[in-house]
Amino acid sequence: SAVISQKPSRDICQRGTSLTIQCQVDSQVTMMFWYRQQPGQSLTLIATANQGSEATYESGFVIDKFPISRPNLTFSTLTVSNMSPEDSSIYLCSVGGEANYGYTFGSGTRLTVV
Amino acid sequence: QKEVEQNSGPLSVPEGAIASLNCTYSDRGSQSFFWYRQYSGKSPELIMFIYSNGDKEDGRFTAQLNKASQYVSLLIRDSQPSDSATYLCAFYSGNTPLVFGKGTRLSVIA
Repeated sequence: SAVISQKPSRDICQRGTSLTIQCQVDSQVTMMFWYRQQPGQSLTLIATANQGSEATYESGFVIDKFPISRPNLTFSTLTVSNMSPEDSSIYLCSVGGEANYGYTFGSGTRLTVV
Repeated sequence: QKEVEQNSGPLSVPEGAIASLNCTYSDRGSQSFFWYRQYSGKSPELIMFIYSNGDKEDGRFTAQLNKASQYVSLLIRDSQPSDSATYLCAFYSGNTPLVFGKGTRLSVIA
């Protein structure tokens, strides 16, 4: 399965600022996914990032708040913009495997907004 | 809307016992089912997947799928304290992203 390097692993940010999270995959993948996991909660899909096209956002998430880049088949970034304390969460990138195998996750970014 | 239901727990079992984790799903078109383990502060890791009705065994883990009842379970035999974690079930249907349940917190008591 793919190996994903995600950074930063954690950050404490001031409200109103932005943070960009990076994910690098050791192989080419068609789709990358960005999830949010709030304390004690399950995973919520933010968007699907496809190389060469706009990301597809889930209900409740918008591009202005969570812009995503996917410049090639091994890399993606998620920016959390104009942050508020409600954005404090763990953000995870993941990639889908082949033949319907489950997703592999990056190590996550623990974001605290103060 | 595609949904996955799991008992949030915590489920407490003594060391050496069998832990049984259950999950129901709403989409009859679901094709693949996955169990993830997530330790506190860590990202989820895939431990089992199952596509066909019946049982699939891998070491101490057995996944069971019943598509007619829209039910999937995970049995952990000889539970160890190191199995204490949150277990997430997920399903995959066609080209949609994986849908995750809220997870069941398992505590294995030594």
